[in-house]
Amino acid sequence: QLQLQESGPGLVKPSETLSLTCTVSGGSISSSSYYWGWIRQPPGKGLEWIGSIYYSGSTYYNPSLKSRVTISVDTSKNQFSLKLSSVTAADTAVYYCARLRDGVDGAAKYYFDYWGQGTLVTVSS
Amino acid sequence: EIVLTQSPGTLSLSPGERATLSCRASQSVSSSYLAWYQQKPGQAPRLLIYGASSRATGIPDRFSGSGSGTDFTLTISRLEPEDFAVYYCQQYGSSPLLTFGGGTKVEIK
Repeated sequence: QLQLQESGPGLVKPSETLSLTCTVSGGSISSSSYYWGWIRQPPGKGLEWIGSIYYSGSTYYNPSLKSRVTISVDTSKNQFSLKLSSVTAADTAVYYCARLRDGVDGAAKYYFDYWGQGTLVTVSS
Repeated sequence: EIVLTQSPGTLSLSPGERATLSCRASQSVSSSYLAWYQQKPGQAPRLLIYGASSRATGIPDRFSGSGSGTDFTLTISRLEPEDFAVYYCQQYGSSPLLTFGGGTKVEIK
């Protein structure tokens, strides 16, 4: 059974960089059928896609966050990571990592089929 | 940018009743790229429906999805106590590549 687990500091100071890692177990991050993504959810609010990465390192970011986001992958450790710079209180949220299904042309795809449990990151001095 | 608008914001129903949730897109969305999720308090979202109408593994058949173009619907035929939750639709398309709707809360009447 595939499992994803987020890890990283739960408290980050304003203007600093938020760093999280997602460790994938029970499957390979190098599968050609999947992308890997980060999604966040501010307290009491909806879901926002941050960005996604393929095992080859190709990245796709939400334009609203692109200038501050870097997502990277380490296939040797079966992990991918998120860095969000210059954080403010508005970046306080539960951050989820998830697997994004790819597929052949014409097939249903680009949905998140496995999610981590999420980790709350609070931006505060 | 494709915006997904979910309605109603809150749906108050009793167990055993039928729930009909709407997801409307600001531009046409490929049915292959429309998904629905369920989220309970303190939990991660769970995939219910992908490709607009295909149930994910382990999802009961009381959940069904339909629609095309700009209008999509999630139907729960008979609400069970465990179905009271927040539901989100999600699409893949033009920039931003992935967007979620604002969610519909299904609460016990």
